[in-house]
Amino acid sequence: DTGVSQDPRHKITKRGQNVTFRCDPISEHNRLYWYRQTLGQGPEFLTYFQNEAQLEKSRLLSDRFSAERPKGSFSTLEIQRTEQGDSAMYLCASSLSTLGGYTFGSGTRLTVV
Amino acid sequence: DQQVKQNSPSLSVQEGRISILNCDYTNSMFDYFLWYKKYPAEGPTFLISISSIKDKNEDGRFTVFLNKSAKHLSLHIVPSQPGDSAVYFCASEYGNKLVFGAGTILRVKS
Repeated sequence: DTGVSQDPRHKITKRGQNVTFRCDPISEHNRLYWYRQTLGQGPEFLTYFQNEAQLEKSRLLSDRFSAERPKGSFSTLEIQRTEQGDSAMYLCASSLSTLGGYTFGSGTRLTVV
Repeated sequence: DQQVKQNSPSLSVQEGRISILNCDYTNSMFDYFLWYKKYPAEGPTFLISISSIKDKNEDGRFTVFLNKSAKHLSLHIVPSQPGDSAVYFCASEYGNKLVFGAGTILRVKS
């Protein structure tokens, strides 16, 4: 297992377009997280899945954002009608339990022009 | 409302010397803390953690100190190496999420 994979690594899109990102966690990890990082800031929590159930969502996750983890394995994060303020690094992480043990992917950098 | 604060945006240290990165938190419910290191174009990687039942945890060149009464923790790197140059994030695990500080850029000069 090579860790957490995210695809694509970079995405440039025009304002108003929809984008979808994919995350493949470490196979035995049942917990999956999405974070967003903007320039000069630390990662901010967006949402959390345990297996296929989305158990927590940040208020940062507006109704233009939706995340799924249909079979409890990979996850997708979709942003509809992108805005320039959505430009950020989107990070996925997975873990087997709490108290640390999070493994992050390399992220998807989104640029909205 | 930043619950985890890293007030030094950057730090420059000579190779071989000690690097000290500081972190303050405001939420007294926080009881588990982690430090992550991040290189450009990569995700954060876990360095070291500490539970509030301890005041110190050590792993090789890395030591984390926790002062609960001051709501302050620090990461010491001794000796610093050029490969340590990266962004360092302090975080607290709270419920099902990590709450991160804004990070400190460490530059180790050779």
